[in-house]
Amino acid sequence: DAGITQSPRYKITETGRQVTLMCHQTWSHSYMFWYRQDLGHGLRLIYYSAAADITDKGEVPDGYVVSRSKTENFPLTLESATRSQTSVYFCASIGTSYEQYFGPGTRLTVT
Amino acid sequence: KQEVTQIPAALSVPEGENLVLNCSFTDSAIYNLQWFRQDPGKGLTSLLLIQSSQREQTSGRLNASLDKSSGRSTLYIAASQPGDSATYLCAVGPDSWGKLQFGAGTQVVVTP
Repeated sequence: DAGITQSPRYKITETGRQVTLMCHQTWSHSYMFWYRQDLGHGLRLIYYSAAADITDKGEVPDGYVVSRSKTENFPLTLESATRSQTSVYFCASIGTSYEQYFGPGTRLTVT
Repeated sequence: KQEVTQIPAALSVPEGENLVLNCSFTDSAIYNLQWFRQDPGKGLTSLLLIQSSQREQTSGRLNASLDKSSGRSTLYIAASQPGDSATYLCAVGPDSWGKLQFGAGTQVVVTP
């Protein structure tokens, strides 16, 4: 499928478990982003990446880890999930015209 | 720090009426402004992208204007339909890292 795909689309996990959310884009865009969206907080940037092996923290990075060994993949890992990390997570990328494209999201519930 | 504001937070209009959504930003040194639509439980869909050198962009019933000097953008949706019900977000940027700054969105309900 062309565009940005995220997996899984829905995930329920327990407190303390490690969880990895996957993001894959087919355009070879350099810039990629992870956001979380919560009622009352809007979209908040977790981590971003300018290229393979170049990542940096966003607004709310605590408890999350990212890696980017390949341009097309940008996985987000919750090292030890907490209930406060229950949220909808969106992956995004920016094209050459600086237009941002979003994936369909992953709804994560931490019990 | 760039701040993006969307007022009102929610809006309800009868079908057929024109929609006017506002977006304001504090720093006029932007590269572009982008409008998104988000349906409940879904991701964000890009509607229009206005480059900083442009004054407006149009797509079908949608028209977005940009006034950098006053730090404002307006999204017009002509002859609204119930299918236009969604949350509309604007975002400005990007910075040197490609990051955008998002507004909180305006939730629109178009009643039949």
